[in-house]
Amino acid sequence: DTGVSQNPRHKITKRGQNVTFRCDPISEHNRLYWYRQTLGQGPEFLTYFQNEAQLEKSRLLSDRFSAERPKGSFSTLEIQRTEQGDSAMYLCASRQSGGNYGYTFGSGTRLTVV
Amino acid sequence: GESVGLHLPTLSVQEGDNSIINCAYSNSASDYFIWYKQESGKGPQFIIDIRSNMDKRQGQRVTVLLNKTVKHLSLQIAATQPGDSAVYFCAETHFGNEKLTFGTGTRLTIIP
Repeated sequence: DTGVSQNPRHKITKRGQNVTFRCDPISEHNRLYWYRQTLGQGPEFLTYFQNEAQLEKSRLLSDRFSAERPKGSFSTLEIQRTEQGDSAMYLCASRQSGGNYGYTFGSGTRLTVV
Repeated sequence: GESVGLHLPTLSVQEGDNSIINCAYSNSASDYFIWYKQESGKGPQFIIDIRSNMDKRQGQRVTVLLNKTVKHLSLQIAATQPGDSAVYFCAETHFGNEKLTFGTGTRLTIIP
């Protein structure tokens, strides 16, 4: 098992463009989480999936954000019409329900909106 | 709203000494706490967790202490090594809640 994989590692985009990030969780994990982390802050919860169902969304997840996990395996996070305030590290994590709450994080995708 | 905070943003410790990182939480409903370590350019890495029915839990070179009376937890790292240099976060939740609430982190620097 190679852990949680996120791509790309870095993304620079112009304001107003759309971006999409991908997360491949640990294969046997049925729960997948997205967090956002700005410089000097702890991660903030965005949303989570159990298998393909999106079960909770944070108020931080505006209408410009959408996340999917179509087959209960990998997940994508799309940001439409990016704004400079979207610049952050986007972290994905996974765990198996019933197991330890200390889920496993990926290395993140760092988004810079210019 | 509820928050998790840290007393000190930075901590410098001599290599080989013990370090203590503190965390205060405000949500009295929290019953599960986790410490994460985050190195530069990486995602948070699970270190140790503790449930509210415990006061202390030990791992390899790490100990977490929980004081529910004052809503405080701490992470003790024994015999610190250069590889311990990182930002440490405490996080809290309660069973049934999938969301972790993180504090802002403490940067631990090990001085050779």
